[in-house]
Amino acid sequence: DSGVTQTPKHLITATGQRVTLRCSPRSGDLSVYWYQQSLDQGLQFLIHYYNGEERAKGNILERFSAQQFPDLHSELNLSSLELGDSALYFCASSGPLGTGELFFGEGSRLTVL
Amino acid sequence: GENVGLHLPTLSVQEGDNSIINCAYSNSASDYFIWYKQESGKGPQFIIDIRSNMDKRQGQRVTVLLNKTVKHLSLQIAATQPGDSAVYFCAENMVQGDMRFGAGTRLTVKP
Repeated sequence: DSGVTQTPKHLITATGQRVTLRCSPRSGDLSVYWYQQSLDQGLQFLIHYYNGEERAKGNILERFSAQQFPDLHSELNLSSLELGDSALYFCASSGPLGTGELFFGEGSRLTVL
Repeated sequence: GENVGLHLPTLSVQEGDNSIINCAYSNSASDYFIWYKQESGKGPQFIIDIRSNMDKRQGQRVTVLLNKTVKHLSLQIAATQPGDSAVYFCAENMVQGDMRFGAGTRLTVKP
């Protein structure tokens, strides 16, 4: 158990809909990262938050947004969903910037029909 | 599992043999690198890390080699076991504060 909690574990929805994925980092970790893992693209970095502030942004679509709350949990919002958004979405947390490994949650599997 | 159908480079080895998994990274300014193991249905898990001021680091049955000249990382697994079967990713800590992952390699260990 990595200590990172993601909900929901599975989600099935229709095109055009909006979903919110939630992540609770390990106790004490200030950084939260979001990654997308599709069948043919490995782990794609989406966004990184550190202590409530956006730190770095990767290939995140404009239809997607994220935030980190004062209690350090994070949410990834996916809107106007398309079939191609079906993927595993991982959250990871870490301690001080650039000093250690990422601890990954078990992922949220999103299926868009 | 979640990785079924993933079009990754693959490496197949016999149980007991040594495995070498290679990775090219993108940014010469990256200063920290990690190898992760992802088993089917699970999130990636840390194996070993190395900082850019080192060229070799050893763990239990694993060794990471870093060649900054050609921006290359390798992971060596000694006496590979069936439980080592997984997808292996290298990751680099980018200067701007994110961890970027390589494409991954699927390791299959034959008993």
